[in-house]
Amino acid sequence: QVQLQQWGAGLLKPSETLSLTCAVYGGSFSGYYWSWIRQPPGKGLEWIGEIIHSGSTNYNPSLKSRVNISLDTSKNQFSLNLTSVTATDTAVYYCARSPLTSVRGVIKTGWLDPWGQGTLVTVSS
Amino acid sequence: QSVLTQPPSASGTPGQRVTISCSGSSSNIGINYVFWYQQLSGTAPKLLIYRNNQRPSGVPDRFSGSKSGTSASLAISGLRSEDESDYYCAAWDDSVSGVVFGGGTKLTVL
Repeated sequence: QVQLQQWGAGLLKPSETLSLTCAVYGGSFSGYYWSWIRQPPGKGLEWIGEIIHSGSTNYNPSLKSRVNISLDTSKNQFSLNLTSVTATDTAVYYCARSPLTSVRGVIKTGWLDPWGQGTLVTVSS
Repeated sequence: QSVLTQPPSASGTPGQRVTISCSGSSSNIGINYVFWYQQLSGTAPKLLIYRNNQRPSGVPDRFSGSKSGTSASLAISGLRSEDESDYYCAAWDDSVSGVVFGGGTKLTVL
């Protein structure tokens, strides 16, 4: 049974860099995309981006200039960095595993299972 | 403004059948799989339906998914109090090369 456990700083000041890490336990790290999703308080889900074991990434265009997702295969961990945070980045951040789905020979995702427990990150001066 | 459109709320009484719609476009639902997630209050989302209509093991068969054209639906039959939750649809969107979500539907069991 794959489990994801995440951690990182919960309180940031504007302009600082958000850094979160997600560890994968009990399953293979290769053969999947590994994703980050966030949810502002009282609002819906927003996909941030994903990385596969080869290092290839996909990012939400609205966040692409500030986001970097990386992985450490030796530790079965992947990380999220989001630079220059503002109050609008306040949210619960989740990590999740994304099984690969082939649609007419092209790999696409959207399948997110399982999810980490979530980390509330608050940006405030 | 979410790329996928869901009604903000839905309701039903115990035992009823309710459906939640998810409307998209030709770049997402029209050509890609739809996924549904259930988020109980204060918890992380949980996969409910994958590849339009497949249930992960452990998800009751009261939950079913369907897709037609650029829209999808989640149906819950035999509604139970524990189904009271937020429900989100998601799909890959070719126009942004990323995953897009619906705004979520809050289901109330009356």
